[in-house]
Amino acid sequence: NAGVTQTPKFQVLKTGQSMTLQCAQDMNHNSMYWYRQDPGMGLRLIYYSASEGTTDKGEVPNGYNVSRLNKREFSLRLESAAPSQTSVYFCASTRLAGGYNEQFFGPGTRLTVL
Amino acid sequence: GENVEQHPSTLSVQEGDSAVIKCTYSDSASNYFPWYKQELGKRPQLIIDIRSNVGEKKDQRIAVTLNKTAKHFSLHITETQPEDSAVYFCAARGPGTRNQFYFGTGTSLTVIP
Repeated sequence: NAGVTQTPKFQVLKTGQSMTLQCAQDMNHNSMYWYRQDPGMGLRLIYYSASEGTTDKGEVPNGYNVSRLNKREFSLRLESAAPSQTSVYFCASTRLAGGYNEQFFGPGTRLTVL
Repeated sequence: GENVEQHPSTLSVQEGDSAVIKCTYSDSASNYFPWYKQELGKRPQLIIDIRSNVGEKKDQRIAVTLNKTAKHFSLHITETQPEDSAVYFCAARGPGTRNQFYFGTGTSLTVIP
């Protein structure tokens, strides 16, 4: 099993450009998440999907949109990138919503917005 | 929503000493508290977790304690080794099916050989 995979690993954008971060998991997990990690601020939840067909806003959703394409894939879109969105983005998944389940993280995407 | 605070932000210990990292949470309904270790440039990985109906859990040199009344939980690492050097994050997850996790701001642990 590959676990949780993310593409791309690195990306540089200019202000105003758009892009989609891709995430996929092969563990048959139901819940998927997108976090951003900034120095000194830990991991902050952007959006999550408790199960296929549902998505919910997290702590910092502004400037982002998500799509739960199917059970395996959960994408994050930046419609008009801003320098404040420079960060490391992690996708994660857990087996069940509401259970005591480990969250598995992807390798991260390092995004720089100029 | 839930608010998780973590202290200290940095911690240096001599090899072989113990390290303690503390977290507090605000929502008394939170019922699951995982701890993650993140090495430089890597993804966070679960090292230990505890459920709200348990007061303490151990796994070799690592232990976690939970005080539900005070709403705080702690990570204890004994006999520290240089490979324990990393950033550690605590987290809390609320009840129900929403499954939203809230993370602390992290503790950078350095074990000095």
